Amino acid sequence: LAKTTQPISMDSYEGQEVNITCSHNNIATNDYITWYQQFPSQGPRFIIQGYKTKVTNEVASLFIPADRKSSTLSLPRVSLSDTAVYYCLVGFSGGYNKLIFGAGTRLAVHP
Amino acid sequence: DVKVTQSSRYLVKRTGEKVFLECVQDMDHENMFWYRQDPGLGLRLIYFSYDVKMKEKGDIPEGYSVSREKKERFSLILESASTNQTSMYLCASSLGRSLSNQPQHFGDGTRLSIL
Repeated sequence: LAKTTQPISMDSYEGQEVNITCSHNNIATNDYITWYQQFPSQGPRFIIQGYKTKVTNEVASLFIPADRKSSTLSLPRVSLSDTAVYYCLVGFSGGYNKLIFGAGTRLAVHP
Repeated sequence: DVKVTQSSRYLVKRTGEKVFLECVQDMDHENMFWYRQDPGLGLRLIYFSYDVKMKEKGDIPEGYSVSREKKERFSLILESASTNQTSMYLCASSLGRSLSNQPQHFGDGTRLSIL
């Protein structure tokens, strides 16, 4: 059964590094892992995307092990404005590209 | 910057009504998607379209239909609204043929209440 699993919530403090892991055992061979950020009353916003190993951009890093059954979003030195819900999105084989979002991780950053 | 616009932020309808949710994107994207978002369940795909007049069912298509007559517009239709369709509805678009290998750009959602 195609499923994407991530922690329901996390707490952190300003200036710390935050790592959020998503499990996706049945990821399709050719599909990417994508992370989104969502603030209240807004649609999700793209953060980062990767296929394997490590990807880094100006806001985050994404670590993907060789078996690709999980991925970890890393947010360096979080601030209060990083308080949001974070979703991973994975494609699974299923007749057509089957897109499954995780249920989201609610990150609370405290002063 | 890609802009995905959903016609209403809030909508209240009655059970049994036919409801139309409209979405327009301005970046000539091939793919468009409709999701519903419920607490604890994340985003679930209702339908997607990879070209004009083309559509594919997502995970929860029952009770919904879609229309894509023009590339920039993707409509979600609730044929006979029921209270269990009260939810936040999100529209998204993405570039190209691959569904998962291009970032999706989302609208800000329509919060639909069925009374």
